[in-house]
Amino acid sequence: DAKTTQPNSMESNEEEPVHLPCNHSTISGTDYIHWYRQLPSQGPEYVIHGLTSNVNNRMASLAIAEDRKSSTLILHRATLRDAAVYYCIPLIQGAQKLVFGQGTRLTINP
Amino acid sequence: EPEVTQTPSHQVTQMGQEVILRCVPISNHLYFYWYRQILGQKVEFLVSFYNNEISEKSEIFDDQFSVERPDGSNFTLKIRSTKLEDSAMYFCASSEMGTSFYNSPLHFGNGTRLTVT
Repeated sequence: DAKTTQPNSMESNEEEPVHLPCNHSTISGTDYIHWYRQLPSQGPEYVIHGLTSNVNNRMASLAIAEDRKSSTLILHRATLRDAAVYYCIPLIQGAQKLVFGQGTRLTINP
Repeated sequence: EPEVTQTPSHQVTQMGQEVILRCVPISNHLYFYWYRQILGQKVEFLVSFYNNEISEKSEIFDDQFSVERPDGSNFTLKIRSTKLEDSAMYFCASSEMGTSFYNSPLHFGNGTRLTVT
């Protein structure tokens, strides 16, 4: 499994952008980077994924470094509902499962 | 939006008893998973299931565990003789498995909290 490093916790204010970093320096060129989040008392929820170029969807944006050793999940305008644990998960070629780390616990202040 | 549903939401059982946790995956999905999360710990992979057989299982998934897709809609996890350390949240997930696994997000249910006393 590729090793990832994420901050244990981050804090932000409502309606401000949030940048959640992830280091994944051991991934290979064909490994996708997936992000999931887990709201309190719920199952994990898919957020976004990408391979090389930056990606946008209705929930977030994913900025992938040119060398692919890191990525940043961007929540453009955080709401209280975005308070969750965010997981950065590289998908290794040949793997058919997600391997969760500890993730980043994001707190949103009103 | 279709979702994965799990029942019951909370199951209390005595040590040594058998439990069956039930899941209804999203209808056109082909890959099915069970994960568990012990309180305060990481989400851990247990088993994946595709084409009516186990694709992969973790070290946690020993002979006490089994999975089944009995009727084409339900996906069950059975624990034959529960232990105290089986107390956890159990999450079912499914995936459409479109062009490739890497492009097919997993959809998780909200879990069954299993308490073994």
